[in-house]
Amino acid sequence: ETGVTQTPRHLVMGMTNKKSLKCEQHLGHNAMYWYKQSAKKPLELMFVYSLEERVENNSVPSRFSPECPNSSHLFLHLHTLQPEDSALYLCASSQGELAGHYNEQFFGPGTRLTVL
Amino acid sequence: DQQVKQNSPSLSVQEGRISILNCDYTNSMFDYFLWYKKYPAEGPTFLISISSIKDKNEDGRFTVFLNKSAKHLSLHIVPSQPGDSAVYFCAARGLVDKVIFGPGTSLSVIP
Repeated sequence: ETGVTQTPRHLVMGMTNKKSLKCEQHLGHNAMYWYKQSAKKPLELMFVYSLEERVENNSVPSRFSPECPNSSHLFLHLHTLQPEDSALYLCASSQGELAGHYNEQFFGPGTRLTVL
Repeated sequence: DQQVKQNSPSLSVQEGRISILNCDYTNSMFDYFLWYKKYPAEGPTFLISISSIKDKNEDGRFTVFLNKSAKHLSLHIVPSQPGDSAVYFCAARGLVDKVIFGPGTSLSVIP
């Protein structure tokens, strides 16, 4: 596997279910991100992890719970979601800034989540 | 309030011609600007970036121009090819590596 992978690619869940989204990066990066893309809206940053520490939580409801066990893996645990949480969830990774040079983010293919 | 705006939701261009995608931003603290391309069923792919200390960056057929006084940047693709048909996102970096994305412009290059 190369790049950034996400599983599952599609997920349908009820409002009372608990599920987890998984992201894995094979690029040796030290930062990982979760984004949400709803229909006809810009990508919204949800969480940022740098060196396995959460450095940004963009006012995301507690029904979304991230976990970063190591620099290669990122999870998004889902619990009692609402239908309006249906969206494309994208994971990304990047190498932290070195000597003032910003390094772009590499995205996974996303998980299309539908909450019934 | 959107900090990064792409006011054209879609754009159609004839193959071989120039495609110009525009982006406006409101936050003067942004220090890096990026363009990403997204095909259906795939994640966004980085295309080109520009630091706020520059006004132009070129990479093959792609050139990004930055006008800081106008808080405006544009992506030029020349010549446009059918494979360039995709959604293009403008993005800007703020604090703590926080990247703000625009809503995207869907480009169609007509053969």
